[in-house]
Amino acid sequence: QKEVEQNSGPLSVPEGAIASLNCTYSDRGSQSFFWYRQYSGKSPELIMFIYSNGDKEDGRFTAQLNKASQYVSLLIRDSQPSDSATYLCAALYSSASKIIFGSGTRLSIRP
Amino acid sequence: EAQVTQNPRYLITVTGKKLTVTCSQNMNHEYMSWYRQDPGLGLRQIYYSMNVEVTDKGDVPEGYKVSRKEKRNFPLILESPSPNQTSLYFCASSLLGQGASKLFFGSGTQLSVL
Repeated sequence: QKEVEQNSGPLSVPEGAIASLNCTYSDRGSQSFFWYRQYSGKSPELIMFIYSNGDKEDGRFTAQLNKASQYVSLLIRDSQPSDSATYLCAALYSSASKIIFGSGTRLSIRP
Repeated sequence: EAQVTQNPRYLITVTGKKLTVTCSQNMNHEYMSWYRQDPGLGLRQIYYSMNVEVTDKGDVPEGYKVSRKEKRNFPLILESPSPNQTSLYFCASSLLGQGASKLFFGSGTQLSVL
């Protein structure tokens, strides 16, 4: 069973601090990884994807991938109240053309 | 505007009454998929389709049917809905297979089966 695991939270971070969200995956066959943000009552939207070991930066967001440890993370710098949402980690298994989602981490940025 | 359109947005029905949730995308995407989202369980894949007339089961296909007769449309059919199918449903599409692919989601359908 291919699985993507996330801590459900809530994770509470003060405004302006760095929020760190983590995700582990069970199958080494996964090739690409995604972070989606979902506001309450809305559909998920992609904020980052990564498929190579190391860091990938986009504005205030940094995705990190460690394939040896089967670990993906998302760092949000200078956290804003608008970053309060549920963050879904997802893994693409190309062999089966499946995208598996974790259950999501609820992030709350406190002023 | 590139988008995935789902209808209806809200649906209340009774056990056993057949229903269809429609999904249409205007981006010429090959890949389309249906997910259900339940509290604490995240997004679980119901069915997906790689192209016209090509569909496959996801992780929770029981009680659902799909069809892909046209590239743009991928309806979800519940032949005999039951209360355990009460959930938030999302349709999504992407250019899966062409590099790291982005899923575009519809607005969701909140289904309640009484």
